[in-house]
Amino acid sequence: QSVLTQPPSVSAAPGQKVTISCSGSASNIGSNYVSWYQQLPGTAPKLLIYDNNKRPSGIPDRFSGSKSGTSATLGITGLQTGDEADYYCGTWDTSLNTGGVFGTGTRVTVL
Amino acid sequence: EVRLVESGGGLVQSGGSLRLSCEASGFTFSSYPMTWVRQTPGKGLEWVSGISGSGDTTYYADSVKGRFTISRDNSKNTVFLQLNSLRVEDTAIYYCAKLYYGDYAVLNAFEIWGQGTLVAASS
Repeated sequence: QSVLTQPPSVSAAPGQKVTISCSGSASNIGSNYVSWYQQLPGTAPKLLIYDNNKRPSGIPDRFSGSKSGTSATLGITGLQTGDEADYYCGTWDTSLNTGGVFGTGTRVTVL
Repeated sequence: EVRLVESGGGLVQSGGSLRLSCEASGFTFSSYPMTWVRQTPGKGLEWVSGISGSGDTTYYADSVKGRFTISRDNSKNTVFLQLNSLRVEDTAIYYCAKLYYGDYAVLNAFEIWGQGTLVAASS
């Protein structure tokens, strides 16, 4: 059960930019770091962004993250066909039972 | 190379049990908390459970508390998930994941994921 809301899909032409929003609440995004994951078809998720805006080694700077209040955003610039995938935001909810929470997922399509 | 390999999934009747394993390589296993995340087509990604590097602290989602048990054997670089009293709604691909920072079994990003193992519970 996803408690973070993302748009179901976004699309753009090669070379363009897309942004994906992730909306939560004070007990999750508002209180904790946000991470972002890319899931290519038929594969496991892959960490793209951690601690709101940091990129692990090997992730190109075309991917960026930001957070403001109870929302976060993933940006992808210079869109490539290889970026077609599902993207998920994730964080932790520290309301009662601390647990991980994920977004509903966004399918990125390169036109 | 950091690698996680899950095993133990399968088809089981509702009420049955399974034990999932995740063997790690390429990093100092005992220094990092580990977690299990599952994915179903209808519900997306769902965090299931986490365990500290030493194994002395565990965390569970409300949906599995009392039915699933996470553990680890640092001598074998392996984390386990015991699934008891399985329900149809537990059907999913189960991924193990290494957390990014060594300090916390929660409040931490999921850095490396295994390929997943499919659990199917039938009624």
